[in-house]
Amino acid sequence: DIQMTQSPSSLSASVGDRVTITCRASQSISSYLNWYQQKPGIAPKLLIYAASSLQSGVPSRFSGSGSGTDFTLTISSLQPEDFATYYCQQSYSTPPYTFGQGTKLEIK
Amino acid sequence: EVQLVESGGGLVQPGGSLRLSCAASGFPFSSYWMTWVRQAPGKGLEWVANIKQDGSEKYYVDSVKGRFTISRDNANKSLYLQMNSLRAEDTALYYCARGGRDSSWTGLYFWGQGTLVTVSS
Repeated sequence: DIQMTQSPSSLSASVGDRVTITCRASQSISSYLNWYQQKPGIAPKLLIYAASSLQSGVPSRFSGSGSGTDFTLTISSLQPEDFATYYCQQSYSTPPYTFGQGTKLEIK
Repeated sequence: EVQLVESGGGLVQPGGSLRLSCAASGFPFSSYWMTWVRQAPGKGLEWVANIKQDGSEKYYVDSVKGRFTISRDNANKSLYLQMNSLRAEDTALYYCARGGRDSSWTGLYFWGQGTLVTVSS
């Protein structure tokens, strides 16, 4: 199975900061990479699919990039509602479609 | 409006069984792959299983192979997860989820609210 490794595991930042979260796959997954945001007690929300495509309704301050094994999620200017946990997920070829371990974004 | 409503969770003893259900509405259920994702208390997301539109293909994470069975009833717009030989490590909130017609490309953008499974003596 393909393993997904996110870094950092946690991150402290301030409103207005530019933040980048990294996800690395154990083998090439082309662009089959999704990013989710999850807040406590709420189901995950899809932000980015196919590595760089913004899901409908998601603010443009969120962007994704990468292909192959290395991917990034960038939030250009943090807003108060962005403090949450972020997960990457690969959906390449045959399942299982594994998630990364998550990155908790906290207020500094 | 797309709705996914899970049910069937509860407290079960180790070695026991439970059947989860997900009632779908607001979209042509038979046209989409469906997925189960779980989240242990305070932990991250874990992809569990998915099933093709007609049920002809099913995939599982290694940790549940041979114990869990995913199935669907397209006539009744329902997804199921039969869980046998349950272990303490299966304790989690179980989500039903759906993406686009090719969810491997679109990601999962509709989620239910989850149903909690607790495995404990």
